[in-house]
Amino acid sequence: GEDVEQSLFLSVREGDSSVINCTYTDSSSTYLYWYKQEPGAGLQLLTYIFSNMDMKQDQRLTVLLNKKDKHLSLRIADTQTGDSAIYFCAESTITGGGNKLTFGTGTQLKVEL
Amino acid sequence: DGGITQSPKYLFRKEGQNVTLSCEQNLNHDAMYWYRQDPGQGLRLIYYSQIVNDFQKGDIAEGYSVSREKKESFPLTVTSAQKNPTAFYLCATDRGRGLSSYNEQFFGPGTRLTVL
Repeated sequence: GEDVEQSLFLSVREGDSSVINCTYTDSSSTYLYWYKQEPGAGLQLLTYIFSNMDMKQDQRLTVLLNKKDKHLSLRIADTQTGDSAIYFCAESTITGGGNKLTFGTGTQLKVEL
Repeated sequence: DGGITQSPKYLFRKEGQNVTLSCEQNLNHDAMYWYRQDPGQGLRLIYYSQIVNDFQKGDIAEGYSVSREKKESFPLTVTSAQKNPTAFYLCATDRGRGLSSYNEQFFGPGTRLTVL
């Protein structure tokens, strides 16, 4: 079965790097995603990684995937106050019902001055 | 201007009443989803639909009902049988089954339902 876990809170100082971690259990996951949710809003896709990749970099964002340990991380360089939000990881598996996303619990990132 | 609209943004309901949340999309996506979000629990799938006139239960369908009469619309009814309906409800869409397993889900802005 699928289960995706994240720590609930992370606090960093502005300008530092943030690292948000995620563990998942379904080894048949094809893609893994990071979504961002600002207060009172829907989710927006930040980045994604295919399951046969180890790393993906996109400007200030770096995604690392350790498939052996089923561990995914999102690093945000030079964290800004505008990065304060909830970050969700999600794993995608293909089922008879189509593309199924299983979301983690979300990590609330607070950026302090 | 393509996107997903959910209405209303805030909804208040008395106990024992049914209420319907609207979700409309103009992305021409086949698949639509309803999620419920509670603090510290992430997103949980209520119902999903891969095609018009077809829908499937998700992980927490009890007390909810849906319909998919048009491609653009996937309304969710929260019935009086739902014991704890106060939550943030999110609608999402994607392209549905396809040749590629990459399939980004797009989310609406959400509806916050409060039961008084």
